[in-house]
Amino acid sequence: AQKITQTQPGMFVQEKEAVTLDCTYDTSDPSYGLFWYKQPSSGEMIFLIYQGSYDQQNATEGRYSLNFQKARKSANLVISASQLGDSAMYFCAMREIQGAQKLVFGQGTRLTINP
Amino acid sequence: NAGVMQNPRHLVRRRGQEARLRCSPMKGHSHVYWYRQLPEEGLKFMVYLQKENIIDESGMPKERFSAEFPKEGPSILRIQQVVRGDSAAYFCASSPSRDRVVEAFFGQGTRLTVV
Repeated sequence: AQKITQTQPGMFVQEKEAVTLDCTYDTSDPSYGLFWYKQPSSGEMIFLIYQGSYDQQNATEGRYSLNFQKARKSANLVISASQLGDSAMYFCAMREIQGAQKLVFGQGTRLTINP
Repeated sequence: NAGVMQNPRHLVRRRGQEARLRCSPMKGHSHVYWYRQLPEEGLKFMVYLQKENIIDESGMPKERFSAEFPKEGPSILRIQQVVRGDSAAYFCASSPSRDRVVEAFFGQGTRLTVV
């Protein structure tokens, strides 16, 4: 069974600093996809970034990058130059390639950016 | 192009009543996923549907919960005889096809409160 672990329940970071949110995963499938979502206090789920297990390079989307270390089964999210609006819950998720391709989510990390 | 639309955004039901949650996928999307988010937790998969078919309902509770995605109209998640433990946020995601789940978009969720 697939499993996602986010070990940081909460993080506090000073504005403009970079922040790394940890995510480790467990799967026996050779093919999978890894996602990060942001959930602000308003509640919606906002897709941030995606990494495929066979992608050679780490994914980047603006200030977001994914530090993908396949051998260690980690997919940490890096946010550069943090902003007050980055304060939110962040979820790491994995998608199975076979079957229903449903997403399996971690417990989340609550990120607070201090001015 | 409107996004995934869920309604109502907030729903209050008394114990024993029925709750009906609606999800209209993005235009051109024929695949729908329902997830449940309990307070302070990540999203958990419930059911995956295509038009008129339930593909995977492995995450659905065996009793009181049902889902449908008719040929015309929105997908419906129905909870009969609600209990306090059903209080949660219910999210719907849609995708154009099974192979393009990376493009799965979430609705804003329905927050069910059972009193």
